[in-house]
Amino acid sequence: GDSVTQMEGPVTLSEEAFLTINCTYTATGYPSLFWYVQYPGEGLQLLLKATKADDKGSNKGFEATYRKETTSFHLEKGSVQVSDSAVYFCALSEMRSGGYNKLIFGAGTRLAVHP
Amino acid sequence: DTGVSQDPRHKITKRGQNVTFRCDPISEHNRLYWYRQTLGQGPEFLTYFQNEAQLEKSRLLSDRFSAERPKGSFSTLEIQRTEQGDSAMYLCASSFSQGSNQPQHFGDGTRLSIL
Repeated sequence: GDSVTQMEGPVTLSEEAFLTINCTYTATGYPSLFWYVQYPGEGLQLLLKATKADDKGSNKGFEATYRKETTSFHLEKGSVQVSDSAVYFCALSEMRSGGYNKLIFGAGTRLAVHP
Repeated sequence: DTGVSQDPRHKITKRGQNVTFRCDPISEHNRLYWYRQTLGQGPEFLTYFQNEAQLEKSRLLSDRFSAERPKGSFSTLEIQRTEQGDSAMYLCASSFSQGSNQPQHFGDGTRLSIL
C-alpha cells in the first residue's frame, strides 16, 4: 500500500538557520502531497500542498517541491524562528473509488528552534 | 471563521467503560474523517463519511468502535469496553466534496487516557 517516510527527529536548530526535513513516498498512483504542522496540544494545520509533479507548495516561508522522479517532497525554510518549533507531518492523499481521498501520514519530525 | 470543533478535549476513564466523542465539522463541508494518533506517530485513518453515509471503515476500527453522522452534520465516535490500547488522540477532519484534492481541515482532537 501507499506509505510515507520522514526523517527522524528531533531536529534542533538555532534561530535563523536553514531547515530541511526529508520526506519520501511510495504510491501506486499520482497522489497529492501535503505538509501539516502540529503545535503542542493542538490538532494538525495544513502548511502547504502540491497536487502534481514539479508543483511547488509554499506558505509562511516554507516550501516543498513535488519530485516524481525521486518520489520526494522535502520541506525547506531559509531562516527558522523559535515560533516554528512544532511537529511536522508529511502526508499523501490516497484516492478512493468514491472520489474522496484519505491521508497517509509519515511518523512526524519534531523541530526545536532555540534562540 | 469557525473551524472543526471536537468535544471533549480530554477524556480520562477506567478500562472497560464506554466513551463517546463528538465532532462538529466546518458547516459547508460534506466530507468527514476520523483519525487516531498514538504517541510519537502520525495520524491513522479510521473512517470516512460522505454526508450521513459511512463509506469506508479501516480495519483498525474493531467491533468495539462505532461512528455515526445521523444528519450529515456532526459526528460521534463511540468506543465500548475501552482497553489500554485505545489510549490515543482522536482527530476529526472535514473537507469540501467538490474536487478530489480538497485539503482536510483538522480539529484539535480528543485525547483519551485509559486508566
